[in-house]
Amino acid sequence: QKEVEQNSGPLSVPEGAIASLNCTYSDRVSQSFFWYRQYSGKSPELIMSIYSNGDKEDGRFTAQLNKASQYVSLLIRDSQPSDSATYLCAVNILNAGNNRKLIWGLGTSLAVNP
Amino acid sequence: DVKVTQSSRYLVKRTGEKVFLECVQDMDHENMFWYRQDPGLGLRLIYFSYDVKMKEKGDIPEGYSVSREKKERFSLILESASTNQTSMYLCASSLSYTQYFGPGTRLTVL
Repeated sequence: QKEVEQNSGPLSVPEGAIASLNCTYSDRVSQSFFWYRQYSGKSPELIMSIYSNGDKEDGRFTAQLNKASQYVSLLIRDSQPSDSATYLCAVNILNAGNNRKLIWGLGTSLAVNP
Repeated sequence: DVKVTQSSRYLVKRTGEKVFLECVQDMDHENMFWYRQDPGLGLRLIYFSYDVKMKEKGDIPEGYSVSREKKERFSLILESASTNQTSMYLCASSLSYTQYFGPGTRLTVL
């Protein structure tokens, strides 16, 4: 079982709809969760981080965390064609020592159709 | 704003050449990372460093080495480039867990 799993997609939604992206993780003691957006040929850019159970909203984006069920999701409201990208989920792992590694999902490809 | 820069956006090298990829961050971050990204394989960690002169192997260190002589600079070295090292190389830096990426270097080894 992979440590961080995402549905590869492509997820296709019409413009203006809500896009729902999901991520599950295997390490029960993970504490930090991140969503990154990556356009084709570009590097990942941070959208949101979430650390506590519940919802965190930032503009059209809402991250949802459920530690008991070990999943984190990203909702994009009023989806725009410019949201078409690959969305990467990343989760921290607690290693011995002082490093700050993240474990990455393979990403979900989102296509927003005009 | 955090700024992470990489020495080249595109690079073409020949098999057997020694290749240096450089990464510089301007936010005094302790942690720096080198990844490669290939279609279908996602981001794979090559090496990381959490302090000057400190380095730790990631998931795929074979064929690579790194150098961190100054806090702001982290270099990835391909000792003898091979065609299977053709990839997008991404550098990132972080203070805690949040990582910030440079623009990437697309390396082609012929």
